[in-house]
Amino acid sequence: SQQGEEDPQALSIQEGENATMNCSYKTSINNLQWYRQNSGRGLVHLILIRSNEREKHSGRLRVTLDTSKKSSSLLITASRAADTASYFCATDANTGGFKTIFGAGTRLFVKA
Amino acid sequence: SQTIHQWPATLVQPVGSPLSLECTVEGTSNPNLYWYRQAAGRGLQLLFYSVGIGQISSEVPQNLSASRPQDRQFILSSKKLLLSDSGFYLCAWRATSGGELFFGEGSRLTVL
Repeated sequence: SQQGEEDPQALSIQEGENATMNCSYKTSINNLQWYRQNSGRGLVHLILIRSNEREKHSGRLRVTLDTSKKSSSLLITASRAADTASYFCATDANTGGFKTIFGAGTRLFVKA
Repeated sequence: SQTIHQWPATLVQPVGSPLSLECTVEGTSNPNLYWYRQAAGRGLQLLFYSVGIGQISSEVPQNLSASRPQDRQFILSSKKLLLSDSGFYLCAWRATSGGELFFGEGSRLTVL
């Protein structure tokens, strides 16, 4: 079963607006990662947040992690048409293993 | 720098035919290797992962198998394809120390 579940499944916004995507997971984790996928392509890593971190920034990206609620959010500020893609959260379980489990993703469409 | 190659990019196969997808990584040693499958518009399902030559962990019972004959080579196979094997197959690697996954460009399989 999928570890992470994203919300919403799809999001359509205007260029310049902020986009917020949420992710929930079920078990204890070492870290949580966010990836981006353009249609028909491989995934590209965006940002990793460790279980002892609460917030992380990278350019226009802001990620938060709440381990008590087993949830994370990805905020993209001042969105651009080029941000149109699917976004996935992924978790590495805190079991000493090597498995990275992905959620179902959020499809973001930014209208120019 | 490290690169990952995955081929073929697309293939159309009849039901009951064999399958071989290949993935190779350059520029790193002893990577952890992964095969994921993605159904249309969906998230990634972890199929297999490997932490070393000849070491394969299977996540989902299915019609597929994986092999790692060399340190940086990961092969996904089937003896007889099913219609349900259609999908987008993604190979990925990560360093043994953990961190982000690096994905190939994917192989789109259509079983008719």
